[in-house]
Amino acid sequence: DIVMTQSPDSLAVSLGERATINCKSSQSVLSSSNSKKHLAWYQQKPGQPPKLLIHWASTRESGVPDRFSGSGSGTDFTLTISSLQAEDVAVYFCQQYYSTPPTFGGGTKVEIK
Amino acid sequence: EVQLVESGGGLVKPGGSLRLSCAASGFTFSSAWMSWVRQAPGKGLEWVGRIKRNTDGGTADYAAPVKGRFTISRDDSKSMLYLHMNSLKAEDTAVYYCTTDYGYCTDGICWGGFFDPWGQGTLVTVSS
Repeated sequence: DIVMTQSPDSLAVSLGERATINCKSSQSVLSSSNSKKHLAWYQQKPGQPPKLLIHWASTRESGVPDRFSGSGSGTDFTLTISSLQAEDVAVYFCQQYYSTPPTFGGGTKVEIK
Repeated sequence: EVQLVESGGGLVKPGGSLRLSCAASGFTFSSAWMSWVRQAPGKGLEWVGRIKRNTDGGTADYAAPVKGRFTISRDDSKSMLYLHMNSLKAEDTAVYYCTTDYGYCTDGICWGGFFDPWGQGTLVTVSS
């Protein structure tokens, strides 16, 4: 199984400042057949199900604010919130869908400093 | 509006059985792969298993911890997804989410996908 390791476990950022979450996969999730990175990011607020933010490592879902962006290579990925808003307080998970079983990172809790 | 509504959760004794249901609406259910993902209280996300659409074979895959105990099925005529859980253990205690899986098959190879949207979840508690 591909192991997804997120860092940090939590971070506190001032309103309007940048938040950066890292996700590392134990093997490449870049497909040679379609040249796509099989990596997604989710946001989960308390008491709610996860919400898809980004797929293919950098494709933002419709309706997701453009302050959220994803980047990365075959094994190292980053979710960036360019200007943290109060409504962004949540836990963020990365997920690889390159191979079965799909696996998730342990989550990063984002709070307001 | 795409909607997924889970039901069937509850308290069950170790070794018991339970069937979860997921009612889908707002999209062509028969064209979709579907997955179950669970989240133990205060913990992260764990994929349980998926079922492909019938045109991709309609087969199911399972995570190692549940293989042989859980079975996923679908009724496309009713837009319903099911998770049959047997021999339940305390470690199966979790909120179980139903989600659309953007997996696909191409050139004879099948790829799993990302998950969107998710239902609100149903809580399964395994305890004596």
